Amino acid sequence: QKEVEQDPGPLSVPEGAIVSLNCTYSNSAFQYFMWYRQYSRKGPELLMYTYSSGNKEDGRFTAQVDKSSKYISLFIRDSQPSDSATYLCAMTFTGGGNKLTFGTGTQLKVEL
Amino acid sequence: GAVVSQHPSRVICKSGTSVKIECRSLDFQATTMFWYRQFPKQSLMLMATSNEGSKATYEQGVEKDKFLINHASLTLSTLTVTSAHPEDSSFYICSARDNPRGYNEQFFGPGTRLTVL
Repeated sequence: QKEVEQDPGPLSVPEGAIVSLNCTYSNSAFQYFMWYRQYSRKGPELLMYTYSSGNKEDGRFTAQVDKSSKYISLFIRDSQPSDSATYLCAMTFTGGGNKLTFGTGTQLKVEL
Repeated sequence: GAVVSQHPSRVICKSGTSVKIECRSLDFQATTMFWYRQFPKQSLMLMATSNEGSKATYEQGVEKDKFLINHASLTLSTLTVTSAHPEDSSFYICSARDNPRGYNEQFFGPGTRLTVL
């Protein structure tokens, strides 16, 4: 079993839809949770950064962390074609040497 | 925001040659840089952690003599793929940690696509 599980997709939605992306993990030591967006042939770009459980909102993006269920989510409201990319979840913990453990990424396509 | 650059963005080389990839933090000092490899439709796999002024720490299964890492300054780390072979063809991405902005945030470079013929 992988430490971080993420559905690879592809996920296709119409423009304006609400997108829900999720990751589950097995290591209860993880404390810091991140979502990255990666366009084709580019490096990942940090979207959201959350510490421990709770919600965090930034514009059209909302990140949720449920440590009791070992489950994290990223919601994208009013999705746009420019949101089409691969979304990677990543996580780490204090004392983990700052090493990030990544999910495999979910490929999202927002269609006109 | 924190910007990380990589050079070159793409390189094609013959089997048996060595290739050097540079990673630079442009607007901050990075005491720690990380090197990842990403195969098509797969996630990023950490290869090594590079600390300025000290030897890199390699992940299990990564050959340190094949992937030479040098972190000579607070803004530059290099990865040299020695005696490259076709199976080394991949997307290599570096990231840098910016301490003042957050304990665990890493900022990624745009990646270098290596093709070994």
